Amino acid sequence: NAGVTQTPKFQVLKTGQSMTLQCAQDMNHEYMSWYRQDPGMGLRLIHYSVGAGITDQGEVPNGYNVSRSTTEDFPLRLLSAAPSQTSVYFCASGRRGVFGQGTRLTVV
Amino acid sequence: QQQVKQSPQSLIVQKGGISIINCAYENTAFDYFPWYQQFPGKGPALLIAIRPDVSEKKEGRFTISFNKSAKQFSLHIMDSQPGDSATYFCAASKGEYGNKLVFGAGTILRVKS
Repeated sequence: NAGVTQTPKFQVLKTGQSMTLQCAQDMNHEYMSWYRQDPGMGLRLIHYSVGAGITDQGEVPNGYNVSRSTTEDFPLRLLSAAPSQTSVYFCASGRRGVFGQGTRLTVV
Repeated sequence: QQQVKQSPQSLIVQKGGISIINCAYENTAFDYFPWYQQFPGKGPALLIAIRPDVSEKKEGRFTISFNKSAKQFSLHIMDSQPGDSATYFCAASKGEYGNKLVFGAGTILRVKS
């Protein structure tokens, strides 16, 4: 029972590159969400999903896309990476927020 | 603007002492108030949570005090231990439990042995 699995753990991107952060959960949770964590700002909600095929924007959605084709997976796509997207990204699952270990992303 | 304000930013407490972290919120529609604990390199983990129909909730050494009229809630860690050294986040949401959590900025707690 792995809980919430995020890959990769670390990533360095060049400005303008695209990539997908993966998130998978094995708890059959309908609700999943993505947050970014920046120093002194806590965690801020990027996108969330209340079930397969249903997604919505959070507080800071610009520059990110999501889709939810299965209950288990909720990938986060960076369309054209910018230095302002350097952050630690957390995927969370379930109503009470079971968080993954995070992906530390640096955009140079 | 920050909907949940957390203080202090950092806190140093002696082993065995009481750690107190405070949060204030603006949105009166919030009805779920969790606290998360985060160790370096790890994701946040739910520590304890409260709904606004009670003024206090205790789980082991951790207690949430909630003041609905003042729109404030706080985390008390009794008999603080070096293993409690971590970053603590308060959060709030409306509706069903942890939907669309709004987090405070975090408090770095260090417990000196």
